[in-house]
Amino acid sequence: KNEVEQSPQNLTAQEGEFITINCSYSVGISALHWLQQHPGGGIVSLFMLSSGKKKHGRLIATINIQEKHSSLHITASHPRDSAVYICAVVKAQKLVFGQGTRLTINP
Amino acid sequence: GAGVSQSPRYKVAKRGQDVALRCDPISGHVSLFWYQQALGQGPEFLTYFQNEAQLDKSGLPSDRFFAERPEGSVSTLKIQRTQQEDSAVYLCASSLRAPNTEAFFGQGTRLTVV
Repeated sequence: KNEVEQSPQNLTAQEGEFITINCSYSVGISALHWLQQHPGGGIVSLFMLSSGKKKHGRLIATINIQEKHSSLHITASHPRDSAVYICAVVKAQKLVFGQGTRLTINP
Repeated sequence: GAGVSQSPRYKVAKRGQDVALRCDPISGHVSLFWYQQALGQGPEFLTYFQNEAQLDKSGLPSDRFFAERPEGSVSTLKIQRTQQEDSAVYLCASSLRAPNTEAFFGQGTRLTVV
């Protein structure tokens, strides 16, 4: 079993829908990152969380340390949000990544 | 430059050839990481530098893989006698301190071994 599990693996939605991507982890961590990866490989950091909730534009990330769970929400989704979203936890000075969630937003 | 720069962006190597992948981190970033991402998978840790010191190389898959950061800035990941299973995207990331601070990723080098 992977130390970081994401769900769903693939998600297709219509423009405007509210999107939720989940991340569960099984190890002690000091922080959690949400990352976005577009075709071509480039990875962009969206959030780094150690507790609570963060919001940036249409993106919201929450983390529950006791339950070892984090969620990434996208409000009013748009086709340009189509990408792979990756959850990564900080364990012993390095990042341990989930498998990613491939999000496709259709117009 | 403003971001993490990796070169080359694409590399095709014949099986058995040696390759060298370069990473220029953001100036002043102490921590530098190399990750390997196979097609359709999440990245996996290879090695970690703090300045010029390689603090963790537990993710390097074999002794054919070698990384260095001799002056604490630019890093090179070298793969000797490449095999087909080495085909992947190699990602470099840097952060100001440890990854409890924001990590900045390069565009990656896509290595294809034929």
